[in-house]
Amino acid sequence: DTGVSQDPRHKITKRGQNVTFRCDPISEHNRLYWYRQTLGQGPEFLTYFQNEAQLEKSRLLSDRFSAERPKGSFSTLEIQRTEQGDSAMYLCASSLENSRRAHEQFFGPGTRLTVL
Amino acid sequence: DQQVKQNSPSLSVQEGRISILNCDYTNSMFDYFLWYKKYPAEGPTFLISISSIKDKNEDGRFTVFLNKSAKHLSLHIVPSQPGDSAVYFCAARPGAQKLVFGQGTRLTINP
Repeated sequence: DTGVSQDPRHKITKRGQNVTFRCDPISEHNRLYWYRQTLGQGPEFLTYFQNEAQLEKSRLLSDRFSAERPKGSFSTLEIQRTEQGDSAMYLCASSLENSRRAHEQFFGPGTRLTVL
Repeated sequence: DQQVKQNSPSLSVQEGRISILNCDYTNSMFDYFLWYKKYPAEGPTFLISISSIKDKNEDGRFTVFLNKSAKHLSLHIVPSQPGDSAVYFCAARPGAQKLVFGQGTRLTINP
């Protein structure tokens, strides 16, 4: 069990550029979640996948954001035409459905995005 | 609408004493409550959880209490250690898969 990994750990970009983040969940976990955290706040839910199906999206996820999990393993989160307000820590988490601990989500280290 | 609230942004406790972190919620449909600990530049680490049908869960130095009538939960850490200094987040699951987080409380353990 190597835990949830995220890449890159830090990303600095200019306003208007596109960025893509990757998340690799714990290997046997079939659920994967994306959250966003800004300074002084707790993580806010963005979207979640069960296997390759995207089952819920927050209203925070504008049309500039898209997430995929094509083979039910790793996931990518893309932000198009970045804005300064997109600067935040983007967190990925995973969990295992139908287990005694299905409610527990395990988080990766996050990708810190800075939009200049 | 802030469904989960941690009203104390910070807490300072002497090493060896009890730390009590509090959390209030508004949604009666939450089925699980969780506490996470976060160090700078790291993701949140799961600490302990409690089902909405229980009123107490204990794991080593950590105990979570749930008071459903008051819509309040608390995390007790006994005894507090310097390594416990971190930001603690309360989270709740509204029957769906996402978690709803509070704003966090920064705990500082003083030697």
